[in-house]
Amino acid sequence: NAGVTQTPKFRVLKTGQSMTLLCAQDMNHEYMYWYRQDPGMGLRLIHYSVGEGTTAKGEVPDGYNVSRLKKQNFLLGLESAAPSQTSVYFCASKEDGHYNEQFFGPGTRLTVL
Amino acid sequence: EDKVVQSPLSLVVHEGDTVTLNCSYEVTNFRSLLWYKQEKKAPTFLFMLTSSGIEKKSGRLSSILDKKELFSILNITATQTGDSAVYLCAVRTGTASKLTFGTGTRLQVTL
Repeated sequence: NAGVTQTPKFRVLKTGQSMTLLCAQDMNHEYMYWYRQDPGMGLRLIHYSVGEGTTAKGEVPDGYNVSRLKKQNFLLGLESAAPSQTSVYFCASKEDGHYNEQFFGPGTRLTVL
Repeated sequence: EDKVVQSPLSLVVHEGDTVTLNCSYEVTNFRSLLWYKQEKKAPTFLFMLTSSGIEKKSGRLSSILDKKELFSILNITATQTGDSAVYLCAVRTGTASKLTFGTGTRLQVTL
């Protein structure tokens, strides 16, 4: 089991460029989440999905879009990157059920110049 | 707005010391409180607490929740340099199991 994987690991963008971050999990988890982590801010939820074909907004969704076309994949898109989106992005997944923890991927470090 | 506050923000201790990390919260629709350890990359799960007063233990780490006073503590005894990390507290709320994280406590254990 690879667990939760994220691609790419690093990326540098120019302001206005677009990109997609891919999260994949092989644990057959229903729930998937995208977070960003900034110094002094902890992890903040961007978007999440409670199942294939569903998405919902989290705490900081502006400037991002997501899709969950397949159960194992959760894509995070930046349509027009801004320097404020420079961050480390983590994906997580969770099995259905109240007492299951979220498993995190290794993160993607994104810099927007 | 849900809020999770951790203290201290950072801590430097000598190997062998005992440390206590604090987490307080104000949230609606509380489900559980989780502790994670983050070294260089992904946070890794330590504990999940749902009931007051029941200590969870794993080796030198232990944690307890007080739902009346809305806080949790994470204790690490006989610290080792491998315990150096950021410790994250998160509260799970609602039916979608969303987590609200604190900013973390950075622990450095020196020889």
